[in-house]
Amino acid sequence: GENVEQHPSTLSVQEGDSAVIKCTYSDSASNYFPWYKQELGKRPQLIIDIRSNVGEKKDQRIAVTLNKTAKHFSLHITETQPEDSAVYFCAGGTSYGKLTFGQGTILTVHP
Amino acid sequence: NAGVMQNPRHLVRRRGQEARLRCSPMKGHSHVYWYRQLPEEGLKFMVYLQKENIIDESGMPKERFSAEFPKEGPSILRIQQVVRGDSAAYFCASSTTGDGYTFGSGTRLTVV
Repeated sequence: GENVEQHPSTLSVQEGDSAVIKCTYSDSASNYFPWYKQELGKRPQLIIDIRSNVGEKKDQRIAVTLNKTAKHFSLHITETQPEDSAVYFCAGGTSYGKLTFGQGTILTVHP
Repeated sequence: NAGVMQNPRHLVRRRGQEARLRCSPMKGHSHVYWYRQLPEEGLKFMVYLQKENIIDESGMPKERFSAEFPKEGPSILRIQQVVRGDSAAYFCASSTTGDGYTFGSGTRLTVV
């Protein structure tokens, strides 16, 4: 089955800096890679996703890159703000089946 | 669209009791997934259902846990004879083919 590894487990940045979170996956059949943001006590919320037929996707301050050959994908947040502080999860799978989640990254943005 | 609705939000059960968690998917979504999240951990897949069918239950414990998604009504995750180790947040998500998951607000189960 799929195995998704996520790094780092914690990330601390100053407001305005960029943050990068990296994930690797094991199953070549996976073709869908979403990222979720979870605030304390809240539900995970989809912030961006990428499918295996593209290498990069951007939505305002958030971008995701995918390297299928190396089986890794990354989340990039630019111009970070305190409200970006949360736990971020990557996941891999198919868009209509089981998703396997990474262990999560606690992002703290200091004002 | 009310989103994915889960109830109850909080559930307290004594050891040995049964827990029933409900999930109503978003309107138009026919795929339902259940995940478990232990404190300060990631989301672990439990089961994937479509109406009246279990598609993938590879993450479900072999005993005490069951799930259904009937033709009418919400999806139900049932835990029989709960133990302290069942204490966790249980999230339901729904999707249509090709779309990302939308998660519900979760049910926080506490076994005392």
